[in-house]
Amino acid sequence: QLQLVQSGSELKKPGASVKVSCKASGYTFTSYAMNWVRQAPGQGLEWMGWINTKTGKPTYAQGFTGRFVFSLDKSVRTAYLQISSLKGEDTAVYYCAKYCGDCYASDYWGQGTLVTVSS
Amino acid sequence: EIVLTQSPGTLSLSPGDRATLSCRASQSVGSSYLSWYQQKPGQAPRLLIYGASSRATGIPDRFSGSGSGTDFTLTISRLEPEDFAVYYCQHYGSSPPVTFGQGTKLEIK
Repeated sequence: QLQLVQSGSELKKPGASVKVSCKASGYTFTSYAMNWVRQAPGQGLEWMGWINTKTGKPTYAQGFTGRFVFSLDKSVRTAYLQISSLKGEDTAVYYCAKYCGDCYASDYWGQGTLVTVSS
Repeated sequence: EIVLTQSPGTLSLSPGDRATLSCRASQSVGSSYLSWYQQKPGQAPRLLIYGASSRATGIPDRFSGSGSGTDFTLTISRLEPEDFAVYYCQHYGSSPPVTFGQGTKLEIK
């Protein structure tokens, strides 16, 4: 069945980097874009951007340029989110979510990865 | 930039009640691009409704969506205990491509 499985929780110090993975199975990976969504503690959902899984071209939302990088490894059907120069305000759960195409929504979500930034 | 405003912020109802959640867009949007999600504590969001009124796979028929233009509604006809959660509307557009509402918390009265 279709699944998105994300990597486990991370505890990082300010200034460090983190790479979150999202492994897809059960569908043609390169047929649907992958969204990334952030949820800070107790807050709502915030769209970070998406990556075209066919071309590898990323699109970043305002506020997520510079320190945030989306990438792919098509050979292992995995999307990645890398965050550099981590700050306390990056503490959040990060979700990958498969774009469903012509339904204009995200139909499958990873379980989320908690990234905690603390000294 | 399209802003989605959800109301109320919190809705207190009892199992068996009917729930009506609102999502208002700052400008007219196409119905095809409006969706609704449910999120329970500690879980990822789940797609309920896409295209304003189409139920996603496996979603019970007590969930329905309606609306057009700037005003959209998610209705839960008879609340089950498992329906108490936070609900988000979302718009797929052009700039920015994706916008979420701030959420409505549906709590047990």
